[in-house]
Amino acid sequence: AQSVSQHNHHVILSEAASLELGCNYSYGGTVNLFWYVQYPGQHLQLLLKYFSGDPLVKGIKGFEAEFIKSKFSFNLRKPSVQWSDTAEYFCAAEGGSYIPTFGRGTSLIVHP
Amino acid sequence: DTGVSQDPRHKITKRGQNVTFRCDPISEHNRLYWYRQTLGQGPEFLTYFQNEAQLEKSRLLSDRFSAERPKGSFSTLEIQRTEQGDSAMYLCASSLAQLVYEQFFGPGTRLTVL
Repeated sequence: AQSVSQHNHHVILSEAASLELGCNYSYGGTVNLFWYVQYPGQHLQLLLKYFSGDPLVKGIKGFEAEFIKSKFSFNLRKPSVQWSDTAEYFCAAEGGSYIPTFGRGTSLIVHP
Repeated sequence: DTGVSQDPRHKITKRGQNVTFRCDPISEHNRLYWYRQTLGQGPEFLTYFQNEAQLEKSRLLSDRFSAERPKGSFSTLEIQRTEQGDSAMYLCASSLAQLVYEQFFGPGTRLTVL
């Protein structure tokens, strides 16, 4: 069965620090990958997505993610976080069913 | 507000009672999804509709759960004979069929079963 693993459940950073959140998926075929974000008190929203092509995907608010097929990974990165990046981040994968499987999420707290 | 809305936002019920939640998708979206999210976990797929047709159901959707989308617009999710294990956040999302990956989520209904 398809699964998504997020290894960092809680991350605490200071502003301007660099961020990398890990995501690994298990699915042998073609896979589409996503990162969603949920800011405090807000709805879950799409941050970025990968379907094909350039494995380095850029999303909103300076976030990017890199698809490494050999490692079954889709890590999220941001070179310099801001206090407003405090949120819950979810990685998700989909393999042709149009129904994403989500990871358990990573809670990011950024101290000003 | 033209986003996905859900009602109620919170529901507290006693074990054994029936509850019904409503989701109003973005008006032109023909796909509607229901997910369940428990504490410390990501959303888990329950079911989805394209227009009024329920196209897929997860094994998580036991026979106590039923979802409808009678006119292809709003949807309801009913849980009969609630159990404490049903306590969770129930999320609704909608999308256009041709942009299925662009799912827009609602705020969720938090259910607490006492």
